[in-house]
Amino acid sequence: DVKVTQSSRYLVKRTGEKVFLECVQDMDHENMFWYRQDPGLGLRLIYFSYDVKMKEKGDIPEGYSVSREKKERFSLILESASTNQTSMYLCASRSRGGIPEQFFGPGTRLTVL
Amino acid sequence: SQKIEQNSEALNIQEGKTATLTCNYTNYSPAYLQWYRQDPGRGPVFLLLIRENEKEKRKERLKVTFDTTLKQSLFHITASQPADSATYLCALAASSGGYNKLIFGAGTRLAVHP
Repeated sequence: DVKVTQSSRYLVKRTGEKVFLECVQDMDHENMFWYRQDPGLGLRLIYFSYDVKMKEKGDIPEGYSVSREKKERFSLILESASTNQTSMYLCASRSRGGIPEQFFGPGTRLTVL
Repeated sequence: SQKIEQNSEALNIQEGKTATLTCNYTNYSPAYLQWYRQDPGRGPVFLLLIRENEKEKRKERLKVTFDTTLKQSLFHITASQPADSATYLCALAASSGGYNKLIFGAGTRLAVHP
């Protein structure tokens, strides 16, 4: 059974803290993505990566950075968390070829106080 | 500006009826469009993909249509069941710097009542 896992289901952090969200996939996928999901706004792309050590900005990269040191792992970093970064964060992966469906993790509900 | 819109109001239908969900977009020319299902507290799960040169796609009780002139996709669930209750997201492929990224609608919540 293919899997995308995320390090935490729920996370509570204080304003100004550095936050790491980890995502691991076991499907040997080249492409990985980080989205945030807010009510009424749908999923918005923060960053994506099409290969190890490669990254591209999505639609809302401000306040975030990413790291992809290994093919299976894609990390999202909030350098200094702010209350407007309270959201559901979803990681996804897909293969480079074939049907371009994305496989999603269960999500991390982050609350910044 | 570019927009993708799904009916924000929940769709309530009776078990056994056909559910029809709508996805409209403006200022995009997507190579393909996808539909996902999302249950509360979970990540979306891929259901179907339809390409720009396809009018219709079917998978079991699911049917998707794609009208690039109207800039609209319709998603049908026939013989609906309470287990079909979920939020359904449409996503279209938008070219960005040589890559295709997905642009998601906000989703429509479907409730199927026994």
